[in-house]
Amino acid sequence: SHELTQPSSVSVSPGQTARITCSGDVLAKKFARWFQQKPGQAPVLVIYKDTERPSGIPERFSGSRSGTTVTLTISGAQVEDEADYYCYSAADNNYVFGSGTKVTVL
Amino acid sequence: QVQLVESGGGVVQPERSLRLSCAASGFTISSYDMHWVRQAPGKGLEWVAVISSDGSNKYYADSVKGRFTISRDNSKNTLYLQMNSLRAEDTALYYCAKDGFLDWGQGTLVTVSS
Repeated sequence: SHELTQPSSVSVSPGQTARITCSGDVLAKKFARWFQQKPGQAPVLVIYKDTERPSGIPERFSGSRSGTTVTLTISGAQVEDEADYYCYSAADNNYVFGSGTKVTVL
Repeated sequence: QVQLVESGGGVVQPERSLRLSCAASGFTISSYDMHWVRQAPGKGLEWVAVISSDGSNKYYADSVKGRFTISRDNSKNTLYLQMNSLRAEDTALYYCAKDGFLDWGQGTLVTVSS
């Protein structure tokens, strides 16, 4: 089965830029999605098709790709961006979430 | 407005069965693939199963293959997850999600314990 690897944690000061990477062979075939999850809440889609932002998601969230690594960037991180972030992709009937990254803004 | 409401969770003994439901409103489930995703307490998201829009294709995570069955009742606009031979490691909050993962329910908690 496929795997997606993320760093377990990222720390950033308010107003600075946070970058979260996600790597895996499945990304060679398919786009990635990124989800934000705050405690006690369902996940929220923040990026799809590697770089697209759903309606209502702040512009400070952006996605990029280099080969089989995708990156979620939070530019000018806000305190309310503190959350867990998961990448996701699916290929060949294998559907997988990354292990998750806890983003701390302080 | 899209809404997904899961139900059917609870405390169940190991090796017993449970059926989860996901009632959809604001859209017709027969037009979309539908997913189940779970999250064990304090852990990350784990994809569980998907059913195609026409119900002809179903795929499962290795961890539940042969024990869980995903299905849909289009007349009731409801998605199901039949869970058999439950194990302690199946303890989790179970979410249903519409294809594309823009829309999620709030989840239903399944606890497997003797």
